[in-house]
Amino acid sequence: DADVTQTPRNRITKTGKRIMLECSQTKGHDRMYWYRQDPGLGLRLIYYSFDVKDINKGEISDGYSVSRQAQAKFSLSLESAIPNQTALYFCATSDPSGGSQNIQYFGAGTRLSVL
Amino acid sequence: QQQVKQSPQSLIVQKGGIPIINCAYENTAFDYFPWYQQFPGKGPALLIAIRPDVSEKKEGRFTISFNKSAKQFSLHIMDSQPGDSATYFCAAASSGGYQKVTFGTGTKLQVIP
Repeated sequence: DADVTQTPRNRITKTGKRIMLECSQTKGHDRMYWYRQDPGLGLRLIYYSFDVKDINKGEISDGYSVSRQAQAKFSLSLESAIPNQTALYFCATSDPSGGSQNIQYFGAGTRLSVL
Repeated sequence: QQQVKQSPQSLIVQKGGIPIINCAYENTAFDYFPWYQQFPGKGPALLIAIRPDVSEKKEGRFTISFNKSAKQFSLHIMDSQPGDSATYFCAAASSGGYQKVTFGTGTKLQVIP
């Protein structure tokens, strides 16, 4: 979805380096999410934010941190990257007025390789 | 803990076949069951969804069947086409709490011409 933009699209880094993945959205949604996709494991939630002051850990937050700089911006950081953080990372947004539907709108993803 | 179990992990069918992807859930608080479709190099996108008050929903060639008592739901793709080749994720969400969406592990579908 072009309304959710992730940068960079691809990144190769070395073990121990700090990296940041960025997400911006023009959908006007309050809710933003970071997911990680691994083959055979599906999409797993890392962090989610329901507004600038509300940030919550997901099921696999260890080794990650996030920053919600504005309603439209949500960044994911790996403080000290390790090889098992090699994965495809997705940012998503949703509109709370959708109730339980909570339809997720995903960006195109960032493919991260940690050597 | 995998709250939504999805099978198979991969599936190959010939054009015109009817691939079926199955999902099972445990949490009875789930009240919304979407399916997302993901093409290579793209993020997942909502394909079709169902609520537990109906047993079936059709949108074009895509059909969801829902069995509330068994806590299972499935996606059927009628007259499958090579353009349907993608990864499909089932998911579940609830009205309460933070309304987080729990995804299945995904099924990679290949439709052979």
